[in-house]
Amino acid sequence: DAGITQSPRHKVTETGTPVTLRCHQTENHRYMYWYRQDPGHGLRLIHYSYGVKDTDKGEVSDGYSVSRSKTEDFLLTLESATSSQTSVYFCAISPKPGQGVSGANVLTFGAGSRLTVL
Amino acid sequence: QKEVEQNSGPLSVPEGAIASLNCTYSDRGSQSFFWYRQYSGKSPELIMSIYSNGDKEDGRFTAQLNKASQYVSLLIRDSQPSDSATYLCAVQASYDKVIFGPGTSLSVIP
Repeated sequence: DAGITQSPRHKVTETGTPVTLRCHQTENHRYMYWYRQDPGHGLRLIHYSYGVKDTDKGEVSDGYSVSRSKTEDFLLTLESATSSQTSVYFCAISPKPGQGVSGANVLTFGAGSRLTVL
Repeated sequence: QKEVEQNSGPLSVPEGAIASLNCTYSDRGSQSFFWYRQYSGKSPELIMSIYSNGDKEDGRFTAQLNKASQYVSLLIRDSQPSDSATYLCAVQASYDKVIFGPGTSLSVIP
């Protein structure tokens, strides 16, 4: 997972507690993404960022917020964790966007963060 | 809502055979298509990208794209046990977002 680090890698928490997952990259890529992966659903986009302080919602954004104060860091926060947010969370980075452009939207993933909400 | 569909499998093939993985997508405007491989407990990694109709070959892997039929496939020739993994089809949903299918689990039997 060259250039992209997620922390913590594993976390167990209780319903109603706040949780923050961190993604750190050293590639200086503009785009950063948070996905969650659940059996039968594949990877679903939660939020993404296209620059410092520039973020947008994905398919399953309810219950999640994000922040990006530096190019290298993208934080995912669960304000009040619920059992339905038990999942594996992957951060991904991309060097550039584009429509049908070779190399555009190619994602490199972090190792993942396994979150269990009891 | 834009969707990407794959057969969940599991797909089992004998060692040395050709594995064929299929994917359909709903958005006719999509122009970029990707195949990622994910080993159990690991993160997805890109194995192929394709942007034009037709075939694209890379070693034992061939990606095929048919935009008119909204269909993408991945062929793995001379399948090896090390190819056993989940294969995720991904499609560009907008200028800067990619959506994934549920994945197909492939098992290559020695």
